[in-house]
Amino acid sequence: ETGVTQTPRHLVMGMTNKKSLKCEQHLGHNAMYWYKQSAKKPLELMFVYNFKEQTENNSVPSRFSPECPNSSHLFLHLHTLQPEDSALYLCASSPRRQGGQYFGPGTRLTVT
Amino acid sequence: QKEVEQDPGPLSVPEGAIVSLNCTYSNSAFQYFMWYRQYSRKGPELLMYTYSSGNKEDGRFTAQVDKSSKYISLFIRDSQPSDSATYLCAMNRDDKIIFGKGTRLHILP
Repeated sequence: ETGVTQTPRHLVMGMTNKKSLKCEQHLGHNAMYWYKQSAKKPLELMFVYNFKEQTENNSVPSRFSPECPNSSHLFLHLHTLQPEDSALYLCASSPRRQGGQYFGPGTRLTVT
Repeated sequence: QKEVEQDPGPLSVPEGAIVSLNCTYSNSAFQYFMWYRQYSRKGPELLMYTYSSGNKEDGRFTAQVDKSSKYISLFIRDSQPSDSATYLCAMNRDDKIIFGKGTRLHILP
């Protein structure tokens, strides 16, 4: 595996379910990110981790819970989501906090 | 005023033409400027990354930053149908990262 991988690629969940999104980067980067991409809106930064420490939480509702066990893995735990949370969730990594980022293919989430 | 403004398009140009994509921004503190290409149902792909004002060239792509005017551009020479995608500008300082909405580009064969 190379680059940034994300699983699952597609997820349909009910509002009462609990699920997790997984991201893994094979680039040796120190920073990892979660983004939300909705139709007709700019990419929204959700969380930033630098050297496994969370450095940014962009006013994200508590129904989204990130976890970064090491510099290569990032999770996004989901529970009691709302239909408006349906979107493409993208993971990214970068060598340092500033500059260009490398994105995974995303998880298309549908909340029913 | 939004921090980053980008015309959503769509922009349609004939194959072989030079494409010009632009973003304006309001926060003079931004230091790093990026362009990403995103194909349908894929994650964004980093194309260009610049730090200072001036031009940076990579193959058919040239990124231009004018900090005095708070204006960045991406030029694509000899455009190909495979360049049809959404192009996102982005800029950051520390952990603050702002993306434009993206411009949809269609290269007509």
